Amino acid sequence: EIVLTQSPATLSLSPGERATLSCRASQSVRSYLAWYQQKPGQAPRLLIYDASNRATGIPARFSGSGSGTDFTLTISSLESEDFAVYYCQQRDNWWTFGQGTKVEIK
Amino acid sequence: EVQLVESGGGLVQPGGSLRLSCAASGFTFSSYWMTWVRQAPGKGLEWVANIKQDAGEKYYVDSVKGRFTISRDNAKNSLYLQMDGLRAEDTAVYYCARDVVGATGWLDYWGQGTLVTVSS
Repeated sequence: EIVLTQSPATLSLSPGERATLSCRASQSVRSYLAWYQQKPGQAPRLLIYDASNRATGIPARFSGSGSGTDFTLTISSLESEDFAVYYCQQRDNWWTFGQGTKVEIK
Repeated sequence: EVQLVESGGGLVQPGGSLRLSCAASGFTFSSYWMTWVRQAPGKGLEWVANIKQDAGEKYYVDSVKGRFTISRDNAKNSLYLQMDGLRAEDTAVYYCARDVVGATGWLDYWGQGTLVTVSS
């Protein structure tokens, strides 16, 4: 099983700041990595797929990068609605999620 | 508008059974892989099972193999998860989700979830 490790567990930032979230895979997943956003009481929402492609309707302030085992989700300037939990997911070898990074208001 | 609506959750005793349903609308259900994902209270997401368009392929996470069965009825635009031999660790919100065409695993639409509680 491919294990995805996200860091940090919690990121405390202010609106307008840049957020950088990391996801590391236990073995290469090539570019088969996605990012999801989940707000309390809501279902997850697909943000990024294939490491760097924004899903339909996702604002340009969200970007993804990386390949192999190291991936990054960047939110260029945090808006109030971006404070949430973010999960990475791989589909290269079965399907697994990371444990999540919470982005909270500082 | 794509909609996925889960139902069938509830409280069940350990060892019991439940059948979850997911009613799909707003898209051609028979053209998509479909997936179940669960989330234990206060925890992260766990992929549970998925099923091909014609039900010819089904996959399960190891922890539910032999206990859970995923199925679908394309005529009724519905996805199901039969859960037998339930354990306390199966307690979670269960989401059904639609896979992106040509990219099985990327989940572009999700239902609101249904809560399953396994407790005596």
